[in-house]
Amino acid sequence: DVKVTQSSRYLVKRTGEKVFLECVQDMDHENMFWYRQDPGLGLRLIYFSYDVKMKEKGDIPEGYSVSREKKERFSLILESASTNQTSMYLCASSLVRVIAYGYNEQFFGPGTRLTVL
Amino acid sequence: AQKITQTQPGMFVQEKEAVTLDCTYDTSDPSYGLFWYKQPSSGEMIFLIYQGSYDQQNATEGRYSLNFQKARKSANLVISASQLGDSAMYFCAMREGARDDKIIFGKGTRLHILP
Repeated sequence: DVKVTQSSRYLVKRTGEKVFLECVQDMDHENMFWYRQDPGLGLRLIYFSYDVKMKEKGDIPEGYSVSREKKERFSLILESASTNQTSMYLCASSLVRVIAYGYNEQFFGPGTRLTVL
Repeated sequence: AQKITQTQPGMFVQEKEAVTLDCTYDTSDPSYGLFWYKQPSSGEMIFLIYQGSYDQQNATEGRYSLNFQKARKSANLVISASQLGDSAMYFCAMREGARDDKIIFGKGTRLHILP
């Protein structure tokens, strides 16, 4: 079974702190994603990565950066946390970037609920 | 314009009844795929079912089926014989083209199953 783990389930940080959210997958997936989930807004893509050291901006990248130094690990960084970044953060991975037929679903981690005070 | 629309923010259904969760989508790409995910209160998103735009038959997975009406651009999830464990948030999502690295999610429907 694919397993996606996130470093923390709950995190409380202060405004202005640098925050690292870590995500690890164990199935050699090419793609990794960071989403933010807010009530009434669904999931919004922050960044994704399709290979080591490769990244692309999603729909809401402002205030965030990412790092993918190893294939299995994808980190989300909040350089200077702000209260409007209080949210649930979900990491996901999927097998390949381009699929000729069929599908490959995204496998999600349990989420990190971040509160910025 | 929203690419994925889920018009039901919340639903209450009696246990053992069938449930239909609505999803409409908007794309001009002839090749696309539609997903449904379930998110229980534990937070982890669980993949339920997939429908490709060229698939001739509606997808089914156990108690889940996808009512795919291409002309109407709708991809409703049907859960037969609902159970208390079906209480969760449900998200419809779409992949456009062959790239699986960017999937667009709807805002979700919260389903409550009543005993």
